[in-house]
Amino acid sequence: AQKVTQAQTEISVVEKEDVTLDCVYETRDTTYYLFWYKQPPSGELVFLIRRNSFDEQNEISGRYSWNFQKSTSSFNFTITASQVVDSAVYFCALRRGETSGSRLTFGEGTQLTVNP
Amino acid sequence: KAGVTQTPRYLIKTRGQQVTLSCSPISGHRSVSWYQQTPGQGLQFLFEYFSETQRNKGNFPGRFSGRQFSNSRSEMNVSTLELGDSALYLCASSLAVGGSEKLFFGSGTQLSVL
Repeated sequence: AQKVTQAQTEISVVEKEDVTLDCVYETRDTTYYLFWYKQPPSGELVFLIRRNSFDEQNEISGRYSWNFQKSTSSFNFTITASQVVDSAVYFCALRRGETSGSRLTFGEGTQLTVNP
Repeated sequence: KAGVTQTPRYLIKTRGQQVTLSCSPISGHRSVSWYQQTPGQGLQFLFEYFSETQRNKGNFPGRFSGRQFSNSRSEMNVSTLELGDSALYLCASSLAVGGSEKLFFGSGTQLSVL
């Protein structure tokens, strides 16, 4: 069975602080894909990043960075120098290998509030 | 390029009624997926369509159904509405199916069942 756990329900920080959102996943597949999405108050989920199970290279994109570690089944997301506009719900998601279609299993989400 | 469009944005129904939600994917996208989002259950997969064929189905009762048209637009229908069906219903589209394909989501239809 697939499972994604985001243990942090809510995080509140002050602007310019760094914040890390945790994601732990469970799967028996050897091929799988991991995603992070952001959901602002408007409702639509906005794609942030994807990783496949064979690519453990960590990535930095502007103020965002991701740390993928298969040994601990974690795919954590860090925002550096947070801004008020970063306030949103962040979801980590897992997709099985090639035969599963586009179905995503989402974590419970982490509500991030960045205060001025 | 227009994003994923869902109509209506808000909907209020009473128990026992049925409802149809509409989704227009991004131009050129052939895969459409539907998700239900509730405070208690989070985001749950409903079903996925590709080229008018249902490819995948989540663990929802038969009251939830969908279809896809030749222009890739999709509709989902919920019959005999229950209070627990109150949720944000999100539609997502992608060029192809599975793998590393990223989903593009609409803003959703907020359904309230009274």
